[in-house]
Amino acid sequence: QVQLQESGPGLVKASGTLSLTCDVSGVSISSSSWWVWVRQSPGKGLEWIGEVFHRGTTNYNPSLESRVSISVDRSTNQFSLKVTSVTAADTAMYYCARVRTDVRGRMISYYIDTWGRGALATVSS
Amino acid sequence: QSVLTQPPSVSAAPGQKVAISCSGSSSNIGNNYVSWYQHFPGTAPRLLIYEDNKRPSGIPDRFSGSKSGTSATLGITGLQTGDEADYYCGTWDGSLSAGVFGGGTKVTVL
Repeated sequence: QVQLQESGPGLVKASGTLSLTCDVSGVSISSSSWWVWVRQSPGKGLEWIGEVFHRGTTNYNPSLESRVSISVDRSTNQFSLKVTSVTAADTAMYYCARVRTDVRGRMISYYIDTWGRGALATVSS
Repeated sequence: QSVLTQPPSVSAAPGQKVAISCSGSSSNIGNNYVSWYQHFPGTAPRLLIYEDNKRPSGIPDRFSGSKSGTSATLGITGLQTGDEADYYCGTWDGSLSAGVFGGGTKVTVL
């Protein structure tokens, strides 16, 4: 079955760059899927960060777009997240996941069917 | 401030039912399908409902989804202590060209 696993440094210094990788197994990342990053800061709800298609096309949360970059590596079946100029507000549990999306007439079907277990990233001063 | 609006919390006794609302606009719920997720903090969220009212295999029929206009609702019947979790609605927002979630609703079983 499809499995995703996040990895990366758990501690990042303020003003630095947070980097996480998602290892995808059980399916080729080149399948017709988008791959997404979602985070949850302490005491807050889920926040959609951005997504990447296997060909490299991306969409980002407008509120994070200037600091976020998501890329895919088809040779290793992984995709990655980079967040620059981090502050304490970027401390969160970061989840990678697979998106299922389709267009039905004029409506878009968009949902996340498989999630990783999450990786905690803490920004230290 | 989330794009989709959910009540912070709902509660009911075991065996009873709860309904969680999710309010949006024509750029998201009004013109796209809604999904719902169950989340126990520290674990991976789980897909409960997709395309407004469809359940993935393995999700009990105690969970149901519906939508009218720019609002959606998740219903849980036969409430169990194991249902105590946070629940989120989600969809695509055409104006933002981004996925969006509600702020989450904490379900408490009294």
